[in-house]
Amino acid sequence: SQTIHQWPATLVQPVGSPLSLECTVEGTSNPNLYWYRQAAGRGLQLLFYSVGIGQISSEVPQNLSASRPQDRQFILSSKKLLLSDSGFYLCAWSLGFGYEQYFGPGTRLTVT
Amino acid sequence: AQTVTQSQPEMSVQEAETVTLSCTYDTSESNYYLFWYKQPPSRQMILVIRQEAYKQQNATENRFSVNFQKAAKSFSLKISDSQLGDTAMYFCAFMGSYNQGGKLIFGQGTELSVKP
Repeated sequence: SQTIHQWPATLVQPVGSPLSLECTVEGTSNPNLYWYRQAAGRGLQLLFYSVGIGQISSEVPQNLSASRPQDRQFILSSKKLLLSDSGFYLCAWSLGFGYEQYFGPGTRLTVT
Repeated sequence: AQTVTQSQPEMSVQEAETVTLSCTYDTSESNYYLFWYKQPPSRQMILVIRQEAYKQQNATENRFSVNFQKAAKSFSLKISDSQLGDTAMYFCAFMGSYNQGGKLIFGQGTELSVKP
């Protein structure tokens, strides 16, 4: 069966510090991968998605970036965090168009 | 651009009763998919139900069913025999355009409270 992991679960970082959130998927090959942000328990905003290694599509202009160095690994990064980057970050995977997405447990990021 | 609207920020229902959550969407596409996800206090996103736009038959999963009205662009979720464990945020989501990597567009959510 497939499993999706995210770490860390919780992170508190000062403004201006770098960020690296990691997501890995087990039990499937060549999944589509997604990063979402959820502010204040409301709707999810898609940040990035990837349909293959090295292929990243950005949905929202911001100071975040994403990379996919391996088939089942998806990393969300920032060089300098802003207060507005605080939120709940969710990683998800799917088999592509028409298939449901499966979500990881999320990372709660607080920028102070 | 596609949009998803959930007009009920909060709802409550008595245990064992039935509740319906509303969702409308806007798209010019004909081939798309619709989903309902549940997010309990643990914040884990859980798939509740999936609907294919080209199927007229409404999807059903145990106590959960949808009323899919394609012409009206409406996709409501009905929860029958509500249980305390159904207390959660519920999100409606739209997936369209084959060449957009299967991304989801979410509504703002409806917070459902099931009361004993």
